[in-house]
Amino acid sequence: GAGVSQSPSNKVTEKGKDVELRCDPISGHTALYWYRQSLGQGLEFLIYFQGNSAPDKSGLPSDRFSAERTGGSVSTLTIQRTQQEDSAVYLCASSAGTSSYEQYFGPGTRLTVT
Amino acid sequence: SQKIEQNSEALNIQEGKTATLTCNYTNYSPAYLQWYRQDPGRGPVFLLLIRENEKEKRKERLKVTFDTTLKQSLFHITASQPADSATYLCALASRSGNTGKLIFGQGTTLQVKP
Repeated sequence: GAGVSQSPSNKVTEKGKDVELRCDPISGHTALYWYRQSLGQGLEFLIYFQGNSAPDKSGLPSDRFSAERTGGSVSTLTIQRTQQEDSAVYLCASSAGTSSYEQYFGPGTRLTVT
Repeated sequence: SQKIEQNSEALNIQEGKTATLTCNYTNYSPAYLQWYRQDPGRGPVFLLLIRENEKEKRKERLKVTFDTTLKQSLFHITASQPADSATYLCALASRSGNTGKLIFGQGTTLQVKP
């Protein structure tokens, strides 16, 4: 079956612009995660959705970052008024549950803010 | 503060040898630990999960140990092959609250030479 997909694969934007990144999780997976990975670094947790529960937003670095998940499936991560320090690879993952389940990652969106 | 450390220096070994990667953590009580493989330009791929009450887990040429007293996990690849060359990430899940949220180390790059 299809894995996690993300779009766009690459995004170059000017400082101050807003961007939207999209994630399509594996069908039937109830949990969805967003991470950020800067060059040569590990993954930084941003936000997590599980079913109809309130999302865990504890990793969002500022109020310029927001995410939503519509219909329990597709998710969009929005970054407003982008800054150069927002440049990174944004990875989305989904899992079948929240406890002890492996996460399946998409290929990521490389964001470059000029 | 919570900290996860993996060897930042690349590990270079000869084909056929056993590769051993280390993951140390402080100020953390993980319910379980996962290891992922990441190739350049791709999202991480799940390899193994080990719970806090398990000492060792094996899967084909892979072995993971988990010592909650030492606060350390070791990841072994036996009979290593050039195709094993990649970055390996450890990730810990909290004991309490949302156990789906993972905290990642920065990864160790393994290079297996023929």
